[in-house]
Amino acid sequence: DIQMTQSPSSLSASVGDRVSITCRASQSITIYLNWYQQKPGKAPHLLISAASSLQSGVPSRFSGSGSGTDFTLTISSLQPEDFATYYCQQSYSNPPTFGQGTKVEIK
Amino acid sequence: EVQLVESGGGLVKPGGSLRLSCAASGFTFSSHSLNWVRQTPGKGLEWVSSISSSSSYIFYADSVKGRFTISRDNAKNSLFLQMNSLRAEDTAVYYCARSYYDTTGSNKLDYWGQGTLVTVSS
Repeated sequence: DIQMTQSPSSLSASVGDRVSITCRASQSITIYLNWYQQKPGKAPHLLISAASSLQSGVPSRFSGSGSGTDFTLTISSLQPEDFATYYCQQSYSNPPTFGQGTKVEIK
Repeated sequence: EVQLVESGGGLVKPGGSLRLSCAASGFTFSSHSLNWVRQTPGKGLEWVSSISSSSSYIFYADSVKGRFTISRDNAKNSLFLQMNSLRAEDTAVYYCARSYYDTTGSNKLDYWGQGTLVTVSS
């Protein structure tokens, strides 16, 4: 199975900050990397697919980059509604696997 | 509006069985693969199983293979997960999620239900 490792596991940031979360795959997954946002008590919500494709309705302050084994989710200017946990997930091969999550908290 | 609504969760003793259902609406159900994904506080998100649109392709996580069975009824827009020989480590919130394959060939889980809690405890 492909292992997905996110860093950091958690971070504290202020409204307006630029935030980056990294995700590393244990082998090349080309661009088959998705990012999800999850708020407490809610289901995950798809933000970005294929490493950098922003989903419809997702604010443009979210962006994704990377290919191969190293990927980044960036929030250009953190908003109050962005405090949540973020997960990466590879769809390159079965089984699909998720990173352990990055919790973004208010500083 | 796409909606996925899970049901069937609850408290069950170790070794017991439970059948989860997911009722879908707002899209052409028979055109999409579907998945079950579970979440525990300790292990985060874990993909459990997937089934293709016509049920031709079915996959399971090693952790549930031989104990869980995924199925679907395209006439009733419903997805199921039969869970047998349940263990304490199967305790989790279970989500159904729709697969969408885009032009890059990427498979994304683009819609999720609200989840149903399964607790395995004596």
